Amino acid sequence: EDQVTQSPEALRLQEGESSSLNCSYTVSGLRGLFWYRQDPGKGPEFLFTLYSAGEEKEKERLKATLTKKESFLHITAPKPEDSATYLCAVQDDRGSQGNLIFGKGTKLSVKP
Amino acid sequence: DTGVSQNPRHKITKRGQNVTFRCDPISEHNRLYWYRQTLGQGPEFLTYFQNEAQLEKSRLLSDRFSAERPKGSFSTLEIQRTEQGDSAMYLCASSYGTELFFGSGTQLSVL
Repeated sequence: EDQVTQSPEALRLQEGESSSLNCSYTVSGLRGLFWYRQDPGKGPEFLFTLYSAGEEKEKERLKATLTKKESFLHITAPKPEDSATYLCAVQDDRGSQGNLIFGKGTKLSVKP
Repeated sequence: DTGVSQNPRHKITKRGQNVTFRCDPISEHNRLYWYRQTLGQGPEFLTYFQNEAQLEKSRLLSDRFSAERPKGSFSTLEIQRTEQGDSAMYLCASSYGTELFFGSGTQLSVL
């Protein structure tokens, strides 16, 4: 059965303190791994798609990397506005497009 | 605003009542999805449409749930005889490629 486990559940950082979020996954075949950001009371906002081990993508202070078993979301010099829940999801190559398996997320708080 | 639109944003209902939610996807997107999210959990897949055809339904989608997408445009999700366990955020997403774009959701509270 496909599984996604995110750690830590919650992370508190000082502004400027870099860190990484982890997403471990188990799928029979990976079609894609997705990172989303979710603010309270809102829907997930798309950040990145990664397709194969070794792939990296960057956007502002965020960088996502992928291995065969896990993905990391690196946050460099975070700002308070980066505070949100970060969700990781995988798409199995057996399932239909759009049937994403999500983790429970990591709630990030960045204090000024 | 050209994003995914969901209405209503909030719905409070009594147990046993029927409720219907609407989703308007991004106009050029042919795929539409419904997900459900409870507090502290990630979204869970419910169902998927390509144009007007409903191609996949999760086992989470009991007989009390029905979704439609007439003419391949907007979609509705109806829950009949609501139960307290149906309380959740119901999210709609649309896509053209592999990336899903979500709306802000409808928060359902069943009293």
